[in-house]
Amino acid sequence: NAGVMQNPRHLVRRRGQEARLRCSPMKGHSHVYWYRQLPEEGLKFMVYLQKENIIDESGMPKERFSAEFPKEGPSILRIQQVVRGDSAAYFCASSPSRVGTGSYEQYFGPGTRLTVT
Amino acid sequence: QKEVEQNSGPLSVPEGAIASLNCTYSDRGSQSFFWYRQYSGKSPELIMFIYSNGDKEDGRFTAQLNKASQYVSLLIRDSQPSDSATYLCAVFYAGNNRKLIWGLGTSLAVNP
Repeated sequence: NAGVMQNPRHLVRRRGQEARLRCSPMKGHSHVYWYRQLPEEGLKFMVYLQKENIIDESGMPKERFSAEFPKEGPSILRIQQVVRGDSAAYFCASSPSRVGTGSYEQYFGPGTRLTVT
Repeated sequence: QKEVEQNSGPLSVPEGAIASLNCTYSDRGSQSFFWYRQYSGKSPELIMFIYSNGDKEDGRFTAQLNKASQYVSLLIRDSQPSDSATYLCAVFYAGNNRKLIWGLGTSLAVNP
């Protein structure tokens, strides 16, 4: 059973370019979460999505950042016109589709390390 | 504001000792509690979750939950140098859109 998959693992972009990060959740998982982590800092929630729906984007910067989880294919986190401050590790996590106590654990992908030069 | 607090550490223990990691949370409506381990440069890895008062054991790990005092702890018995990592506590609140609230983590160093 494959885990959460993210690609690319490392991404280098020049200032002003676009970064596109992909995440495929575990089989049977319909909830996807994106997090950002700066070196030596904690996880920062960005957005929570289900298929074709953004459920909570309270952690997303208002500009340049967007996320989607289409009916077919992986979830995409897009960062337009990247700046040096966007350099970080971006983690995707997924959780099971079932409901009820004990159903809310999240499983993380290996992350994408974005470097903006 | 719902919060999860952890001592940032570092917590330093000798090899073979018991490491005790603590986490407190602010909302009594919390339902489920999770411990993750994160090695430097890697992604968080789920170790255990607990949702009933008391202890839950899995190998060398024991999670302890006390809802009355609003804390959850993780005990690591027979600590090994390979346990050296940052341990993250996360809490699920019903009605919070399936989001977890995360602590900032406690850094653990197990010394040979």
